[in-house]
Amino acid sequence: DGGITQSPKYLFRKEGQNVTLSCEQNLNHDAMYWYRQDPGQGLRLIYYSQIVNDFQKGDIAEGYSVSREKKESFPLTVTSAQKNPTAFYLCASSPSPLAGGYEQYFGPGTRLTVT
Amino acid sequence: AQRVTQPEKLLSVFKGAPVELKCNYSYSGSPELFWYVQYSRQRLQLLLRHISRESIKGFTADLNKGETSFHLKKPFAQEEDSAMYYCALKDSGYSTLTFGKGTMLLVSP
Repeated sequence: DGGITQSPKYLFRKEGQNVTLSCEQNLNHDAMYWYRQDPGQGLRLIYYSQIVNDFQKGDIAEGYSVSREKKESFPLTVTSAQKNPTAFYLCASSPSPLAGGYEQYFGPGTRLTVT
Repeated sequence: AQRVTQPEKLLSVFKGAPVELKCNYSYSGSPELFWYVQYSRQRLQLLLRHISRESIKGFTADLNKGETSFHLKKPFAQEEDSAMYYCALKDSGYSTLTFGKGTMLLVSP
């Protein structure tokens, strides 16, 4: 099963530690996204990248950081500055918007628990 | 700022009953809207988009610019339709989407 993979499925960390969530795609998509999904809140955009070596903040970027060194990979780091990091994190990708590709394809998600 | 509103957190119906999941949006330009669905233990996936005007799994959605709505409808609900449904609006000039908070549809036998 190709497409978008996220690892690990479950992640546990102590408060004060940074943690990095992996997202890889083999769809040759230009754009990648990170969302946070909380009950009753829907999906909220953390960061997105429309091209390698470039990324932009989403609606709730504070306490998070990303990199986009390769087209296939878009890791998300949840830093100790994120006040409420426990959540379900979803990664997505889409074809180039220049080609009219707006459909986003989602990974299976990572559930992060910080205690 | 653009916004997507799904007023119902939970919609519970019986099998065979009609279903309408509401979605309203605020947007100054010409909107592009989508419905995504997340079945239990499965990934979030695209259900349909308004520009294609297609029917997927018996669901349809019509864009009503006058009422700024994009409600999702199905004439006869099935138990396998039980899932979380999200309405989404494409952001102007970017590939990003603004999602509503979602509606959980429960179809009982």
